[in-house]
Amino acid sequence: TQLLEQSPQFLSIQEGENLTVYCNSSSVFSSLQWYRQEPGEGPVLLVTVVTGGEVKKLKRLTFQFGDARKDSSLHITAAQPGDTGLYLCAPSSNYKLTFGKGTLLTVNP
Amino acid sequence: NAGVTQTPKFQVLKTGQSMTLQCAQDMNHEYMSWYRQDPGMGLRLIHYSVGAGITDQGEVPNGYNVSRSTTEDFPLRLLSAAPSQTSVYFCASREELAKNIQYFGAGTRLSVL
Repeated sequence: TQLLEQSPQFLSIQEGENLTVYCNSSSVFSSLQWYRQEPGEGPVLLVTVVTGGEVKKLKRLTFQFGDARKDSSLHITAAQPGDTGLYLCAPSSNYKLTFGKGTLLTVNP
Repeated sequence: NAGVTQTPKFQVLKTGQSMTLQCAQDMNHEYMSWYRQDPGMGLRLIHYSVGAGITDQGEVPNGYNVSRSTTEDFPLRLLSAAPSQTSVYFCASREELAKNIQYFGAGTRLSVL
């Protein structure tokens, strides 16, 4: 089982602010996924990063995979209340998927 | 498209009761899994299946049984519910290991008194 650490655990910011959340491990991943889970719903896949150093953008969200493929970050520019949710990371290359505990983001109007 | 459907959405049990959480997917996905989500613990894998007739244990399998008689259905059974099994349960499916998109159901919120 690959252990993932996500930080911060909780983040509360005002609308319009920028933020970065992190996903770290001592293991090397062949690929890693980011999910967002809104209250009362199941997680929804946002992105999969595969190549070390890869950067993917999804509107105001920027995902980066570390060069060594042991860590990843998610940066949100000009956060909006609709970004509120639990952000989870998980390696996507084995059967026993192990999710990080997530970062609970609250964006206040 | 229905995707992954979980029933029931809410359930309250008394300690010692048994029940089955249902999960069905209409995408012909080979891989299905069950997770539980507890505050501060994230999503933890209970059991998974890589195809009909094949199941295996995840991180927290104790107290739960599964079977996979068809590709579409992957029920999770609690034989004797305990308060420690109070949680939100999510079922997920994906086409195959090489296909990285995992689809989750909306969850079943279970309380064991």
